[in-house]
Amino acid sequence: EPEVTQTPSHQVTQMGQEVILRCVPISNHLYFYWYRQILGQKVEFLVSFYNNEISEKSEIFDDQFSVERPDGSNFTLKIRSTKLEDSAMYFCASSGTVEKLFFGSGTQLSVL
Amino acid sequence: AQSVTQLGSHVSVSEGALVLLRCNYSSSVPPYLFWYVQYPNQGLQLLLKYTSAATLVKGINGFEAEFKKSETSFHLTKPSAHMSDAAEYFCAVRAGGTSYGKLTFGQGTILTVHP
Repeated sequence: EPEVTQTPSHQVTQMGQEVILRCVPISNHLYFYWYRQILGQKVEFLVSFYNNEISEKSEIFDDQFSVERPDGSNFTLKIRSTKLEDSAMYFCASSGTVEKLFFGSGTQLSVL
Repeated sequence: AQSVTQLGSHVSVSEGALVLLRCNYSSSVPPYLFWYVQYPNQGLQLLLKYTSAATLVKGINGFEAEFKKSETSFHLTKPSAHMSDAAEYFCAVRAGGTSYGKLTFGQGTILTVHP
């Protein structure tokens, strides 16, 4: 079965540094998403992306966050200046014409 | 706003026993409801979804869930647990009118299956 690939699986960064999390969605999918899960908390929606623009974002997704689909295969989440509270597991997901999200296995981000 | 509550963060059953994972939702508009499963070191995988058609929804791996509007519930069941069902299960809701994929998740239930 096709899968969503996320790299790296673990990333450690210093507070205030920029970080880019990378995802390769399933090739014929049209909708792309980022979710995150802080340790011990619920999985939270961050942003959805369709037709090269953000279709919806949560309150968490402030000006420090941005998403991009730089080419036909990658989908990235950038955090401009990381804070301690950004430490979480970040999940990328994609879906086609049917509302069935395929999630990657996540990138564990640790901000020190 | 919508929300999801999963009753029981851990559920333990014996192999062959009934699996029942509880989910209650809150939504001001008719909801779309989902169950996802996460196996260790993998992403979340869709088990089944309710989208206002039949109230009893059948999913993969023998799981099913029943939408009960009067009880605002969407409990997940499987008649006979298998060792391979051990995983974390997430209930999620999307309010009608919001964009595809904007899901609100419950906190998850870890299912342990004993031989």
